[in-house]
Order: sequence, then structure tokens, then C-alpha cells
Amino acid sequence: QVHLVESGGGVVQPGGSLRVSCEASGFTFRNYGMSWVRQAPGKGLQWVAFIQSDANKEYYSDSVKGRFTVSRDNSKNTLYLHMSGLRADDSAVYYCAKGIDPAVVTVFDDWGQGTLVTVSS
Amino acid sequence: DIQMTQSPSSVSASVGDRVTITCQASQAIGTWLAWYQQKPGQAPKLLIFPASRLQSGVPSRFSGSGSGTDFTLTISSLQPEDFATYYCQQANSFPLAFGQGTRLEIK
Repeated sequence: QVHLVESGGGVVQPGGSLRVSCEASGFTFRNYGMSWVRQAPGKGLQWVAFIQSDANKEYYSDSVKGRFTVSRDNSKNTLYLHMSGLRADDSAVYYCAKGIDPAVVTVFDDWGQGTLVTVSS
Repeated sequence: DIQMTQSPSSVSASVGDRVTITCQASQAIGTWLAWYQQKPGQAPKLLIFPASRLQSGVPSRFSGSGSGTDFTLTISSLQPEDFATYYCQQANSFPLAFGQGTRLEIK
């Protein structure tokens, strides 16, 4: 049974930095591409970032490019999102999401419960 | 970048009704289209991918169709547990994109 557990959310001041994590279990983490998807309060879903299974390739949405960095530690079955230059419009629940199989990395069949990031002074 | 336009943004319906939600991509994506259901306080759940294939365990009252730029999600006979928000997502290329969502409410 797949489990994805996010942590590290909290309140951060504008311009600040934060790292959120996603600990994975129940599947062979090193074989799957992973993404971060966020949802601002009362709003829709927004894809944020993707990292390939071997960490050799990353993609970002235009809204976070240059400010956010996705990484992973396959020895620890953990996905990370390091966020810097945070703005109020980055406030959201951040979900980690797993691709449906190693060859299809752009569709998500398992999601974590999310971690809330609030950017406020 | 590919943009997804979903409509309607909200719809009110009754148990037993048939409901259709549409999603349009700004450029052709073949059948690389996924549909998700999200209930309040929960993570999204994958219903359909590619465009017309139901995921395991999804009731047969859900169906998807379309290819290229125009897609639909149909619920043939609404059940109480179907009242939720539905999102389409293009899975063809990065950056990935979701539609704005359709909130399905009880009339």
C-alpha cells in the first residue's frame, strides 16, 4: 500500500525560505518520477515541479522557476521541495504525487495528505 | 505551454441526473488527458486516464471521451458520493496543467 507523507509546512515571512519533504513507502521509490502539486485555499490545483526517478531531469512551472528546487534522496525514499523567495501567492497546501507507473510520470495515482505553507508577515 | 479550459465552473444537479463536464486543451494532446475527483479536505483521486479509460475501482457510471483538444467527463446517474470538484489535466508535456475545476453541487 502506497503511503506519501508530507511534512515541513508552516508560516514563513515573505522573501523567506522553507523546505518541505515527502516520505514515501509501499512502492519502489527509486523507480518513479515524482511531482509537487499545490492548491491555494479555496482554489484549484496547480502543478509545481517534477523530478525524474534518477534525479537527472527536473521541470518547473513558470511561477516557481528560479525560486523553487525539487530534489530527492532515493536512499531515504524522500522527495523534497526547497522554496525560496516566497511570496503571498505561494501560500497553499503542497501535495507530493506519484506517477502511475515508471513510464507514465505525468499522471498521478497516489497523493499525500498535503502540507500547508503560509507566507505572511 | 498548454492551457486547459474547463466548463462549467459549477453545476447544480440532483441524485440520478446525468452530468457532463467539458475540457478543452489549447493544443492537441492526443488522449493524454486525466480526470480527477476531489472532495473537501482530501487529496485528488484519479478517475480516468487516458481520456476514456476508467481506473480500477471507479464506478462505471463515470465515462470519459475525446481526443485532440476536446474532452468530456460524464456521470450517467449521479450518486450522493459524486458531489465533489472535478479537474481535468493535460499529461502530454511539461509544464503540466489542470483545468480550473468544476464544482458539482446538490440541487
